[in-house]
Amino acid sequence: KAGVTQTPRYLIKTRGQQVTLSCSPISGHRSVSWYQQTPGQGLQFLFEYFSETQRNKGNFPGRFSGRQFSNSRSEMNVSTLELGDSALYLCASSLGTGWVQETQYFGPGTRLLVL
Amino acid sequence: AQTVTQSQPEMSVQEAETVTLSCTYDTSESDYYLFWYKQPPSRQMILVIRQEAYKQQNATENRFSVNFQKAAKSFSLKISDSQLGDAAMYFCAYRTYNNNDMRFGAGTRLTVKP
Repeated sequence: KAGVTQTPRYLIKTRGQQVTLSCSPISGHRSVSWYQQTPGQGLQFLFEYFSETQRNKGNFPGRFSGRQFSNSRSEMNVSTLELGDSALYLCASSLGTGWVQETQYFGPGTRLLVL
Repeated sequence: AQTVTQSQPEMSVQEAETVTLSCTYDTSESDYYLFWYKQPPSRQMILVIRQEAYKQQNATENRFSVNFQKAAKSFSLKISDSQLGDAAMYFCAYRTYNNNDMRFGAGTRLTVKP
């Protein structure tokens, strides 16, 4: 099976712009979670989507949003970019059983630089 | 609040030796899962091992094992017979049945010396 793919891999934006990142989960996986990874804050949970619905949400401002399509692919959007949004954004897919022990499979990430 | 603490930002081990990475967590929950993830340089993060809180027996996966001390809220990872390919950032993570998001520690960068 192909792994989790994320596009684009690298992105440079300027403050005030918006950006959309894409994640394609492993075939058969219905849950997609998004994380932000920065040197200062580490890995922080953004949100999780399952069956096109947001099932769980982290503590991020409303500028961060996401959606999931019927084929389980997911996008996350960040509006009005700030310098502090520079980070590696990781997507993780899982079967979506809701079991807490369920393994998450991570993508390679999208590295966003905000200038 | 649920927090995960990895007190060792960096660790180093000689090839073929054993190294232990520390992790402590804070929670009021009684049932939860703990995980160790590995993130090699410029490569995808992968699950190394996981432990159910209600199981007393420590989880083992080949050269990787954990020392789970529930009362102390400690979850350390032991890597035996270290290999060059073990060099990576290691993240300890925690997940509860009530709140399904994964909480990660800050990570420990492991260097393996030949």
